[in-house]
Amino acid sequence: AQKVTQAQTEISVVEKEDVTLDCVYETRDTTYYLFWYKQPPSGELVFLIRRNSFDEQNEISGRYSWNFQKSTSSFNFTITASQVVDSAVYFCALSEVNTGANSKLTFGKGITLSVRP
Amino acid sequence: EPEVTQTPSHQVTQMGQEVILRCVPISNHLYFYWYRQILGQKVEFLVSFYNNEISEKSEIFDDQFSVERPDGSNFTLKIRSTKLEDSAMYFCASSLGFGNQPQHFGDGTRLSIL
Repeated sequence: AQKVTQAQTEISVVEKEDVTLDCVYETRDTTYYLFWYKQPPSGELVFLIRRNSFDEQNEISGRYSWNFQKSTSSFNFTITASQVVDSAVYFCALSEVNTGANSKLTFGKGITLSVRP
Repeated sequence: EPEVTQTPSHQVTQMGQEVILRCVPISNHLYFYWYRQILGQKVEFLVSFYNNEISEKSEIFDDQFSVERPDGSNFTLKIRSTKLEDSAMYFCASSLGFGNQPQHFGDGTRLSIL
């Protein structure tokens, strides 16, 4: 069965600090996809990134970067020079690719990030 | 940018009543999903829907729940006889494909059962 663990529950930083959000996953599939979603205080879920299990290249998008390591089953997310607008709950999610047409997302419990001015 | 839209944003219902949550997925998407999030908890999968039938459902999705795509644009979740524990935020999502395609979520419907 698939599982996503986000061991950190709450993180508080001061603006301009860098912060890393950890994600560890479990799956028996060799083909899977990993995602990060952001849930700001307004409640919607915003897609941030998708990574497939065959692509271990790190990715950078502006202040955001992601580090995928299959050897440790981790998909960590770093925000550089954090800003108050980064305050949100961040969810890591896993999707296994089955033979059927379903690809449900299994979410971690989320990490509440508070960025103080 | 196309969006998934959900209505209503907040629904208050008496326990035992039926409720229908509505979603309009992104128009060219083929896969549809419902998730729920009990306050302060993680997002949980309820059901996925493709080609006019349920492709997978979780143990949460019991006989009280049903989904329907009544026309080419809407995707609904019905709870037949609501219970207090159904109070949650319900998210609809859609994707172009499965697996590698990201699921795009609506803003959610907050369901409050009294």
